[in-house]
Amino acid sequence: DTAVSQTPKYLVTQMGNDKSIKCEQNLGHDTMYWYKQDSKKFLKIMFSYNNKELIINETVPNRFSPKSPDKAHLNLHINSLELGDSAVYFCASSPPRQGSTNEKLFFGSGTQLSVL
Amino acid sequence: EDKVVQSPLSLVVHEGDTVTLNCSYEVTNFRSLLWYKQEKKAPTFLFMLTSSGIEKKSGRLSSILDKKELFSILNITATQTGDSAVYLCAVGSGNTGKLIFGQGTTLQVKP
Repeated sequence: DTAVSQTPKYLVTQMGNDKSIKCEQNLGHDTMYWYKQDSKKFLKIMFSYNNKELIINETVPNRFSPKSPDKAHLNLHINSLELGDSAVYFCASSPPRQGSTNEKLFFGSGTQLSVL
Repeated sequence: EDKVVQSPLSLVVHEGDTVTLNCSYEVTNFRSLLWYKQEKKAPTFLFMLTSSGIEKKSGRLSSILDKKELFSILNITATQTGDSAVYLCAVGSGNTGKLIFGQGTTLQVKP
């Protein structure tokens, strides 16, 4: 009955490989996100989808490609992995707007990516 | 450029102490300010503040927002070892649900 679940929890891979991280939420939320947290605990948004439509696409290398097959899933595919991609990647979702804001995020438990 | 700055970056206290964590921001199109607690894994939601001067309270934790001076504080009274965590401040900007996070304050509460 996990609300936002992402897999795998840990991912260790070589430079140049392609990998995917999957995310699913069972909260009925319309909006899903990918955030990257670096070694200094700094969380930065990468992408946001609302009902399968791309809403936010920050300055992220195009080696990163999100895919949302339906509003409960948002996967992240990374091509040609580089050392600097090592970080914790968090998936999150948020409920439909209440009043004028919907920034209350529910986070998954994170995927620790290590690129060797 | 939008930014959120937290202070101090780290803090060590003893059980029973009271702590105040600070968050200042410069963000265009401010919508809300949120506090999260991050222990080992996922950040968990604490408070969302949208109006100045209205304190939000949950047990020993409380928070208030000053939209004129562009800052918020998070207070924790009678700290316990279970309060040890990274506390993240984030500001909602625009109408896309985007959050801009500060770098976090690492709190360690010693027995």
